[in-house]
Amino acid sequence: QQPVQSPQAVILREGEDAVINCSSSKALYSVHWYRQKHGEAPVFLMILLKGGEQKGHEKISASFNEKKQQSSLYLTASQLSYSGTYFCGTVHAGGTSYGKLTFGQGTILTVHP
Amino acid sequence: DAEITQSPRHKITETGRQVTLACHQTWNHNNMFWYRQDLGHGLRLIHYSYGVQDTNKGEVSDGYSVSRSNTEDLPLTLESAASSQTSVYFCASSFTGNQPQHFGDGTRLSIL
Repeated sequence: QQPVQSPQAVILREGEDAVINCSSSKALYSVHWYRQKHGEAPVFLMILLKGGEQKGHEKISASFNEKKQQSSLYLTASQLSYSGTYFCGTVHAGGTSYGKLTFGQGTILTVHP
Repeated sequence: DAEITQSPRHKITETGRQVTLACHQTWNHNNMFWYRQDLGHGLRLIHYSYGVQDTNKGEVSDGYSVSRSNTEDLPLTLESAASSQTSVYFCASSFTGNQPQHFGDGTRLSIL
């Protein structure tokens, strides 16, 4: 089942912060985050494995709460280059799901000068 | 540098024709995936493979097939193209399930 991302869209001014959430109805093994700019391929940002870890990539970080089956992506001091659509991809725990991502519908982030 | 390439980048065809989209990766990755991307649906998994001779159906596999005869290639075939299959198709690969998926640049397919 597809994870649910919120919000669907967010508009920021440079320097502002944003949080994008990803929620699943199934137990998760890991969460992947990707960013896609218009007309381009999705680009990997980070992977979070179960264990509640938090990872960072420049001014972008993320957390994973496996008990709540949720992950959040934090963008701090946003830059124009952060604009794009952000996707979470979830790997469900157990069964034959290993390595297979189910993507959310995406969150469109627009950063204005 | 290792890469993943898709061809063609753009294709227009007619309903009922057979179409094959190519995906070639030089990462030596075991896992390969095909997705389609449509507005409002994000990326949906069509087929995937965990290695040579292994193929599996994803959530939207009807009307599509794949074969994996070597590590580098996973071609996607539309047996009889339908207008509902007009979409942008992405191929991706990863070494294992805990590693990032690397995406190709996509193929924009229009079926008239």
